[in-house]
Amino acid sequence: DAGITQSPRHKVTETGTPVTLRCHQTENHRYMYWYRQDPGHGLRLIHYSYGVKDTDKGEVSDGYSVSRSKTEDFLLTLESATSSQTSVYFCAISENSGGGYTFGSGTRLTVV
Amino acid sequence: TQLLEQSPQFLSIQEGENLTVYCNSSSVFSSLQWYRQEPGEGPVLLVTVVTGGEVKKLKRLTFQFGDARKDSSLHITAAQPGDTGLYLCAVISYSGAGSYQLTFGKGTKLSVIP
Repeated sequence: DAGITQSPRHKVTETGTPVTLRCHQTENHRYMYWYRQDPGHGLRLIHYSYGVKDTDKGEVSDGYSVSRSKTEDFLLTLESATSSQTSVYFCAISENSGGGYTFGSGTRLTVV
Repeated sequence: TQLLEQSPQFLSIQEGENLTVYCNSSSVFSSLQWYRQEPGEGPVLLVTVVTGGEVKKLKRLTFQFGDARKDSSLHITAAQPGDTGLYLCAVISYSGAGSYQLTFGKGTKLSVIP
């Protein structure tokens, strides 16, 4: 019954391979976000979306791209994964841009 | 320079003790949010404070927004093992194109020992 789900929950991939993480919501919220969380850095915004096909870069967007073709889905793609992209990735949604966020349970990505 | 400074970084206390964690900045904010994150899960919103000097209570948790709206504190009374987690403060900042984004502090990791 979760309003936001991320898949996969865990992934191990090799350096140089493409990886896509999926975020799916059932709340019909307009805003969706991708964050990464790393020790010593906290949560940092990668990309966000303010509507279907409307996306913008966050603080740490290099090496990542996103797509949002439907309200409910927000995809994060690592075109060519590097070891520095080993992290826990969180998707979040919000009904309006100034309100509280609801986070997914995260995807733990390891690039070897 | 970090927008939000949280202190302490780590805190380990015995069950039943009281504690306070802090979130400070040199900037003024229109509002500030507190989240708690448990291991293996995403952050969960606890409260939003919007008015300088505002105090909000959530059971044993008391949140205060500074008078100048530059800082906030979270006080937990009689801590329990279920309070263990990472406590994050966050603020909304304008990111252009009519959109805003949430920026987080690095958090305070709390361990409550039974």
